[in-house]
Amino acid sequence: GAGVSQSPSNKVTEKGKDVELRCDPISGHTALYWYRQSLGQGLEFLIYFQGNSAPDKSGLPSDRFSAERTGGSVSTLTIQRTQQEDSAVYLCASSFLTSNQPQHFGDGTRLSIL
Amino acid sequence: GQQLNQSPQSMFIQEGEDVSMNCTSSSIFNTWLWYKQDPGEGPVLLIALYKAGELTSNGRLTAQFGITRKDSFLNISASIPSDVGIYFCAGQYGAGSYQLTFGKGTKLSVIP
Repeated sequence: GAGVSQSPSNKVTEKGKDVELRCDPISGHTALYWYRQSLGQGLEFLIYFQGNSAPDKSGLPSDRFSAERTGGSVSTLTIQRTQQEDSAVYLCASSFLTSNQPQHFGDGTRLSIL
Repeated sequence: GQQLNQSPQSMFIQEGEDVSMNCTSSSIFNTWLWYKQDPGEGPVLLIALYKAGELTSNGRLTAQFGITRKDSFLNISASIPSDVGIYFCAGQYGAGSYQLTFGKGTKLSVIP
């Protein structure tokens, strides 16, 4: 597709379960970012992939959060042993890997932990 | 860490009025971006600013990158109902640190 695609669009799960969120970036974009948006808040950086380099994981809130990017394209964000405070919208963005290239966002996955 | 202070938090205006919102930072950014987010959707890029002092327009939108590189404003002229939404400023340091730092948003309501 033309834009960043995320799935599922909504996910409801019970506390303690693991969840996987998927992001398919814009074709040709080598940089990929994950952000979290809590209700009524701005976006909080989680993790950044750039080409084949080691990802910048400095924004991950705990070791229950991890992400992979296979083949330099699709990325999966995994949250293990979910907690109620993990409820948020998880947004993915991608960009070309050069300076001054703006990030383009998907519509996010709305995660609700019961 | 870096923080962006965005104001106002919310605005109610009459259709046709002009709108102004701004962001200030405790740290220098090399790029400022303004996004708009509609309910249930991801943020959409409105304007990107890359040089201190730069003034850029996109239709009825005008944004400026402050000289100190610690602030930016966004103006919307002659507001229309479809301008309703949440506007976010975002700063990017660059030079190997490409993640965006976001303000908490300005919620704009337009009264027809």
